[in-house]
Amino acid sequence: EAGVVQSPRYKIIEKKQPVAFWCNPISGHNTLYWYLQNLGQGPELLIRYENEEAVDDSQLPKDRFSAERLKGVDSTLKIQPAELGDSAVYLCASSLLAGGLTDTQYFGPGTRLTVL
Amino acid sequence: AQSVTQLGSHVSVSEGALVLLRCNYSSSVPPYLFWYVQYPNQGLQLLLKYTSAATLVKGINGFEAEFKKSETSFHLTKPSAHMSDAAEYFCAVSVVAGNQFYFGTGTSLTVIP
Repeated sequence: EAGVVQSPRYKIIEKKQPVAFWCNPISGHNTLYWYLQNLGQGPELLIRYENEEAVDDSQLPKDRFSAERLKGVDSTLKIQPAELGDSAVYLCASSLLAGGLTDTQYFGPGTRLTVL
Repeated sequence: AQSVTQLGSHVSVSEGALVLLRCNYSSSVPPYLFWYVQYPNQGLQLLLKYTSAATLVKGINGFEAEFKKSETSFHLTKPSAHMSDAAEYFCAVSVVAGNQFYFGTGTSLTVIP
């Protein structure tokens, strides 16, 4: 069974440029998560989808960040414009069940973003 | 507010020695608790989770953790460290009623040959 796929693995951009990250969850998983992980820190939840509905986006900086999960499968996270402080690893995870706060989350390898 | 605290951002043990990684949580309602491991350049992987069944939870790779309500703790242990255990370990708490999920700041485990 394929795991969570993320692309690109690495991205270097200049500040004020847009950037997008893509995630394909494990087949059949209803819940999808986007996390931000700063160096030396634990992941911080940005947004959680159950199927195509964003059920928790309270920590997503909506002035510059946006996300979508069309058809309840893969998802895209976008930053426009990027700032220096956005340099971090962006993790995608999925879990089988809806209402998945107690369910095992399966993580992708992450996208390491560097903003110059 | 719910939160999770991992004491010790770096822990070093000798190969074959006991591994003890500490995790304390604060929650006004019974939480679900998790330990995840992150190897270099890889995604996080579940080691074990507590979901209000047995208080002693056994996970993969010989790890186990015990839920102690009186101490609000969920410490991770392994009797004998192996070189392959070197990684970053994250404790996480989920409070379903509050629709909240938090990771701790992580503990980096080094195993000395």
